[in-house]
Order: sequence, then structure tokens, then C-alpha cells
Amino acid sequence: DVKVTQSSRYLVKRTGEKVFLECVQDMDHENMFWYRQDPGLGLRLIYFSYDVKMKEKGDIPEGYSVSREKKERFSLILESASTNQTSMYLCASSWDGTISTDTQYFGPGTRLTVL
Amino acid sequence: EDKVVQSPLSLVVHEGDTVTLNCSYEVTNFRSLLWYKQEKKAPTFLFMLTSSGIEKKSGRLSSILDKKELFSILNITATQTGDSAIYLCAVERAGGGADGLTFGKGTHLIIQP
Repeated sequence: DVKVTQSSRYLVKRTGEKVFLECVQDMDHENMFWYRQDPGLGLRLIYFSYDVKMKEKGDIPEGYSVSREKKERFSLILESASTNQTSMYLCASSWDGTISTDTQYFGPGTRLTVL
Repeated sequence: EDKVVQSPLSLVVHEGDTVTLNCSYEVTNFRSLLWYKQEKKAPTFLFMLTSSGIEKKSGRLSSILDKKELFSILNITATQTGDSAIYLCAVERAGGGADGLTFGKGTHLIIQP
């Protein structure tokens, strides 16, 4: 069974801090995604990656960066956290080269609060 | 461990048919159940259900939650080829800093002309 894990379930940081959110998948998936989920806004795509060292901006990349040095690991970085980045962050992964319709497997989420 | 099970895993129907997608769950401290449609990069939000027995409707799509039996259904009437997608169900839990989302594996719906 596919497993997607995220480094923290619950995180509290201060404004201006650098924040790392890690995601690891164990199924050799090519594609990995970072989303944020906010009440009434659904899932919004921040960045995705379809191969090691490859990354593409999603719909809301501002204020975030990502790193994919190994196939199984995709990191989301908040260079200088701000209060409007308080949210639930979800990582997902999928197999196959066609991003559009392949099933995405989600991690449990990280609830980040920025004070 | 929280669990969300969707059925069927895949479904092929003809345009004009009505489909019912199922989602059952086991979760502690239930807050809400969400349905998404995934056809491009990111899933599109469809419905959020928090109360039992109240149907949410949007055009040809409707959904209802049964908190006693721990399941939800998503109905699509008069299906069109544009309804072809993966439909995801997710359950949100709350309380004590343990809130988060658990997703099902999705139902892959294909509508044939």
C-alpha cells in the first residue's frame, strides 16, 4: 500500500522564521505535489515536481520554494514565514508521467500556525 | 488509524446515466467530509458536509452525509463526458491539535459518449 508521510502533523512558528516541511513517499512515484488547504478555498497547488531536481510552480507559489534532491523526498520551504501562511499543508504523490489524471496519494497533512 | 474507503475504484458509464459514488469512513473527532473532482493538476472542491441528512446540491451534482452509518454518497445525474475525472473523498478531523485530512483513493469515473 502506498504511504506518504509528512515530517510534522502540527507546527507552530514565528513570523520571519524559515520553515521546512518534509514529505516522503515509498512507492517510487515520479510526481510529487505540495498543496495548502484553507476553509472555503479547497486545495490550492503550490508547487509540483515530476522528477528529481525538477520543479514547477503551481497556482500560488509566492512565498514558497521547494527542493527535490531525491526521488522519494519533496520539501516545501517557507523562507520567511508570515501569518497568512497559516494553513493546512498537504503533500501528495502519483505514478506515471501524465500528471493530469493519475490518482494522487495524500499524506496526513501538516497544520502550520505562524504567530 | 483513520480510514476513508471509496467505492467503486473505477466506473464506466454512458452519457446521460446517473452515477452514485460511495465514501465510508472511520475517524476520531469528525469535523467534516469533503468531495473533490480531480481532472487537472489540483483537485477542485465540490462539497463540504458537516451535518447528517442535509443534501448539498450544485447543478447535476448532489451529496449527502450519514453520520450514524459513517458514509457519504455523491450523485451525478445526466452525466456528460466532462464529468470524467477522479472523485476524491476526504474526512477532516478536529480537536486537540490532531486535526488533519484523510483522503480516500478516489473513484475513477469515465463517461463514454
